[in-house]
Amino acid sequence: GESVGLHLPTLSVQEGDNSIINCAYSNSASDYFIWYKQESGKGPQFIIDIRSNMDKRQGQRVTVLLNKTVKHLSLQIAATQPGDSAVYFCAETPMDNFNKFYFGSGTKLNVKP
Amino acid sequence: DVKVTQSSRYLVKRTGEKVFLECVQDMDHENMFWYRQDPGLGLRLIYFSYDVKMKEKGDIPEGYSVSREKKERFSLILESASTNQTSMYLCASSFTSFRGGSGNTIYFGEGSWLTVV
Repeated sequence: GESVGLHLPTLSVQEGDNSIINCAYSNSASDYFIWYKQESGKGPQFIIDIRSNMDKRQGQRVTVLLNKTVKHLSLQIAATQPGDSAVYFCAETPMDNFNKFYFGSGTKLNVKP
Repeated sequence: DVKVTQSSRYLVKRTGEKVFLECVQDMDHENMFWYRQDPGLGLRLIYFSYDVKMKEKGDIPEGYSVSREKKERFSLILESASTNQTSMYLCASSFTSFRGGSGNTIYFGEGSWLTVV
């Protein structure tokens, strides 16, 4: 079946450094990918998304890269701040079925001051 | 701003009690979902609904039921709460058809922490 997973369960970075969080997916029919941030005790918050017809998309301090050849998704956070400390997870859905979302288990990002 | 509101943030219930978790969304989404989130297990789908009065079982429906009488409201019901249902419950919603941009994102509520003693 489909699965979405993460390479690193915990990532520690120094404040001001860039962070890269990775995600692998197995469903080649996936069309739409989303990154979420979940702070302790809160619900997941949308960060950025990308469709399968794109390789890269940029937001404010965040960039998502999609490599369809190896089914790999990454989230880059520039100049990481203490407020970025959270669990980040990816999600994907096939474009012909928005009833189906597949979620990764998450990577915990620790930002050291 | 998109909004999914879960009425109860923290609940403590006794084993055997009936529990209602309510969720309201203001985005006119067709789809609504109930997930539970446990450490190390990620998000697991309990039930989802793609229209009023319509529902489908997710991956872990046992011990739960749902109700969707209005488009904006989706309720999760634990008929007889058990200690293994202690968890964080997340409600979410999304559109069912392609909208473009970020219109097909699934949006989450803040979560309901349920403890069954």
